[in-house]
This record gives sequence, C-alpha cells and structure tokens, in this order.
Amino acid sequence: GENVGLHLPTLSVQEGDNSIINCAYSNSASDYFIWYKQESGKGPQFIIDIRSNMDKRQGQRVTVLLNKTVKHLSLQIAATQPGDSAVYFCAETMDSSYKLIFGSGTRLLVRP
Amino acid sequence: GAGVSQSPRYKVAKRGQDVALRCDPISGHVSLFWYQQALGQGPEFLTYFQNEAQLDKSGLPSDRFFAERPEGSVSTLKIQRTQQEDSAVYLCASSLGGDLYEQYFGPGTRLTVT
Repeated sequence: GENVGLHLPTLSVQEGDNSIINCAYSNSASDYFIWYKQESGKGPQFIIDIRSNMDKRQGQRVTVLLNKTVKHLSLQIAATQPGDSAVYFCAETMDSSYKLIFGSGTRLLVRP
Repeated sequence: GAGVSQSPRYKVAKRGQDVALRCDPISGHVSLFWYQQALGQGPEFLTYFQNEAQLDKSGLPSDRFFAERPEGSVSTLKIQRTQQEDSAVYLCASSLGGDLYEQYFGPGTRLTVT
C-alpha cells in the first residue's frame, strides 16, 4: 500500500552487507510462519516460509530462523541490494487456519 | 500470467457515502481473502471466501462492511456509510486452496474518507 513505511522501525544497511530483520510473534500455538516484502504501492509479496518443526530454512539469499522458546523469528538477507529496500512483515498462522496474523513490520533501507 | 488486480487503485469518498472495491483474483484460484491495512501497520484479516461461499467474516469491523463473490471469481467489498476510520488500504489476496497455499496479494485500493 502507499506510504506503508511510515512510523515503522527502520533498518539502514550498506549495499552488499547482510541484513537481519527480527519479529516477535504473538501466539505460542502458531506453527507456520511467513515473511513478506511490501514495496511502496504494492501488495505484500511472499519471500519465504517455515514450519514450527524446523528452526532454519534457506532460500535464495534469504534465511529464516525460528526460535519457538522465545517466540522469535528472523529474516536474514545476504548481500543486500538496493532492490531489497521495502517494508518486511512476518506473519503467523496455525496449521489448520488460513487466517494470517501479520506483525507490525520493519522498513529496510539500503544505502548505495 | 496476470496477478491479482484491484480497482480502483485510489478512492476518495465523503463521509457517509457508500463505496465498492473490486478484486479480480488469479484465474483458477479457489480462495480469496480481503485484508485492511492501516497506515504504518500490517494487514489485518477481514474475510475469506472459498469459491462463492463466504466461510469467515469474523474480521469485518462492523455491519457496514459487506463482501461478496457471487460466481466464485471476482469479489466486491462494499462499505456503507463510510466513516473516517475506514480510511486504509484494502488488500485482496487469492490462493489455489485454503489453509497453507501461498496467498498472492493485489496492489490494494487506497480509500480516503474525508
């Protein structure tokens, strides 16, 4: 959506560095988690997901880590590029539910 | 192929007016979802359709909000007697099936109520 990054915590990184975006999820019963990227004027775009029976999952340049003990999720982006600049949301749901619960988001700014 | 499309992209309504927001899901997608995204916040679930059946409308904030998907494809979210607090981006998403199938989001309709 437009101006989705207003009032959000911001992470600023140098191009080429690694980025780590964190998320505290709310429901200890949640067992499926997704990271979304949202660019200005666009809808959220799926990046990577992880189920609760895993603690790490890797994609292309991205890694998601899950710590169920402290209800914490993180997204690591390797070699961050200008095109990675966006707002990132984590979302949680339970296995039997279609209903995604989104976190509040983090804005990632990549400095050239 | 074409993604989820929404229209209009922007809508300005005077308080008290009715609005209708349209969503065209990806062809063949069974499930359709509506979300509301306030400025600076994550999307919040409004309602869910499986084909033409509205299986969950628990997120609709009031009885002024109504959604339909009469032929199991295009969906319309209608807001009656709009209020300023209805100002938000309304996102539509579709997926092949319910549950854990990946949800593909449209660009949203930004509604501003003056």
